[in-house]
Amino acid sequence: NAGVTQTPKFRVLKTGQSMTLLCAQDMNHEYMYWYRQDPGMGLRLIHYSVGEGTTAKGEVPDGYNVSRLKKQNFLLGLESAAPSQTSVYFCASSFPGLAGGILEQFFGPGTRLTVL
Amino acid sequence: GEDVEQSLFLSVREGDSSVINCTYTDSSSTYLYWYKQEPGAGLQLLTYIFSNMDMKQDQRLTVLLNKKDKHLSLRIADTQTGDSAIYFCAEPRSNDYKLSFGAGTTVTVRA
Repeated sequence: NAGVTQTPKFRVLKTGQSMTLLCAQDMNHEYMYWYRQDPGMGLRLIHYSVGEGTTAKGEVPDGYNVSRLKKQNFLLGLESAAPSQTSVYFCASSFPGLAGGILEQFFGPGTRLTVL
Repeated sequence: GEDVEQSLFLSVREGDSSVINCTYTDSSSTYLYWYKQEPGAGLQLLTYIFSNMDMKQDQRLTVLLNKKDKHLSLRIADTQTGDSAIYFCAEPRSNDYKLSFGAGTTVTVRA
């Protein structure tokens, strides 16, 4: 199993350009997440999905859109990139956490995005 | 993720013990987690503790939980160079399918 994969690994954009980050998982997980990681701020949740065809906003959704057309894929879009979106982006997936049970998230290797 | 607080850096000599501390916010959290991020990689679940436990030991790792003070710690015995990483404390959000992460503690192991 490949686990969680992300493409691309690196990308440099100019302000105003658009791009889509792709996340794929082969573990049949229901839940998928997009985070950004910035120095000193840890991981912040951008958007998440609890199933195919559903998405929801996280802590920092502005400037991003997502789609989950297939259970195994979760796409993160930047319509008009800004320098403030320079970050490392991580995708994660998990099974539903049973009430009172363990919630283990499996992470991809990350995408390093620079917006000039 | 700022509701969970951790110190940002820890430097430790190889062979010594490392202690990473965390404070969390939700007293009803059922499990609390420690994730590890090695350089250039995503996070991986390292260990967890159930909220009705005070301590959990797993080989070189010891997790201590003080529910009264909402304080969680991770002790790594006999720290090795392979333990150099960022360690994140995490607690579930109230709806049980999101996690709130701390800022991460960067552990540097020196010879």
